Amino acid sequence: NAGVMQNPRHLVRRRGQEARLRCSPMKGHSHVYWYRQLPEEGLKFMVYLQKENIIDESGMPKERFSAEFPKEGPSILRIQQVVRGDSAAYFCASSTLTPGQGLNTGELFFGEGSRLTVL
Amino acid sequence: GQNIDQPTEMTATEGAIVQINCTYQTSGFNGLFWYQQHAGEAPTFLSYNVLDGLEEKGRFSSFLSRSKGYSYLLLKELQMKDSASYLCAVEGFQKLVFGTGTRLLVSP
Repeated sequence: NAGVMQNPRHLVRRRGQEARLRCSPMKGHSHVYWYRQLPEEGLKFMVYLQKENIIDESGMPKERFSAEFPKEGPSILRIQQVVRGDSAAYFCASSTLTPGQGLNTGELFFGEGSRLTVL
Repeated sequence: GQNIDQPTEMTATEGAIVQINCTYQTSGFNGLFWYQQHAGEAPTFLSYNVLDGLEEKGRFSSFLSRSKGYSYLLLKELQMKDSASYLCAVEGFQKLVFGTGTRLLVSP
């Protein structure tokens, strides 16, 4: 799982600013997932992307949050006009999943996370 | 809807055995995962069950009953380093849905 790279590891923003979190999946992986983890809570699914496509964004807040995974470069999770409730750890995970097949055998690998603190 | 339940916290003694239960109700089921997460770190894969029964891997075993919507993770010969959160997750429709995790504290 060390192959999934997230940056920044820590990010501090004031209310109203924008936060951009980046994720480079493991080499050869074309599927990226973003999860949010509040202190003392479990991982909450946010969005699932393939290159240039959003497959499932059912966990994304309707406003202020967006995600992309361009043809070239890392996946980006963007939070506009941050509020204190956005303070959390944001984890990215990648897989080699082929559409129509299950994830099976633990093929989801997590990055170390980006910890956002909103002042 | 999806609902995954685990105990919030458990304590055990070094060298003992502990069983962490997970019950789930989900739409779509392609398998159940257990992940370990130390504080401040990324979750790491422990086990995967898609068929009923017990999967054993060293000191860790995981059991699944699909008809009951039930799984458990069994940790044997506990070590201090096993103090961590243990996350139960169900795969449905190409994404993993996690429970809130069980925080295990192993004491000497």
